[in-house]
Amino acid sequence: NAGVTQTPKFQVLKTGQSMTLQCAQDMNHNSMYWYRQDPGMGLRLIYYSASEGTTDKGEVPNGYNVSRLNKREFSLRLESAAPSQTSVYFCASSERELAGSSYNEQFFGPGTRLTVL
Amino acid sequence: GDSVTQMEGPVTLSEEAFLTINCTYTATGYPSLFWYVQYPGEGLQLLLKATKADDKGSNKGFEATYRKETTSFHLEKGSVQVSDSAVYFCALGSARQLTFGSGTQLTVLP
Repeated sequence: NAGVTQTPKFQVLKTGQSMTLQCAQDMNHNSMYWYRQDPGMGLRLIYYSASEGTTDKGEVPNGYNVSRLNKREFSLRLESAAPSQTSVYFCASSERELAGSSYNEQFFGPGTRLTVL
Repeated sequence: GDSVTQMEGPVTLSEEAFLTINCTYTATGYPSLFWYVQYPGEGLQLLLKATKADDKGSNKGFEATYRKETTSFHLEKGSVQVSDSAVYFCALGSARQLTFGSGTQLTVLP
């Protein structure tokens, strides 16, 4: 049981290049999330997928696209990378989306460290 | 909107010292509250949680109580160890997402 896996672990891009970050979970979770982590700013939600076939914008979606390929996989694409997208990206999953006061733990992958030059 | 304000770090303590990391929140409705921990080079792990007012979450010697009257969820541990060195995030869960604080770096010296 690997939990949440992310590839690659590290990536360096030049401004304007594109790339896709991959995420997969083996816990049969319905909901998946992409966050970015920047110093002093905690984690900010980029996009999420409450269930297979649906995606929604989070707090900072500009410059990104996502695809929920199937129940297991949720990818994040940068079409034209910018230096402002230098960050650590985390994928997470949960059994279902949070609703009101219902507790619903999110499980995180190890992260992808992306540098855009 | 929802927000979480967390004690700024870094915090440096000696082993066996008492730890408090302050967390206050602003939210509508009745959110759930969480503490996550991030060890170097790893993703976040849930440390403890509370889902309603006056609940106390606890795990690995850490505790936090959901205080609705003061909108707080402060993290405490009576005696920290070197292995507790990590970044700690307070988070609020409501609607469809988690809102995180900025994180507090804790270093425990032997």
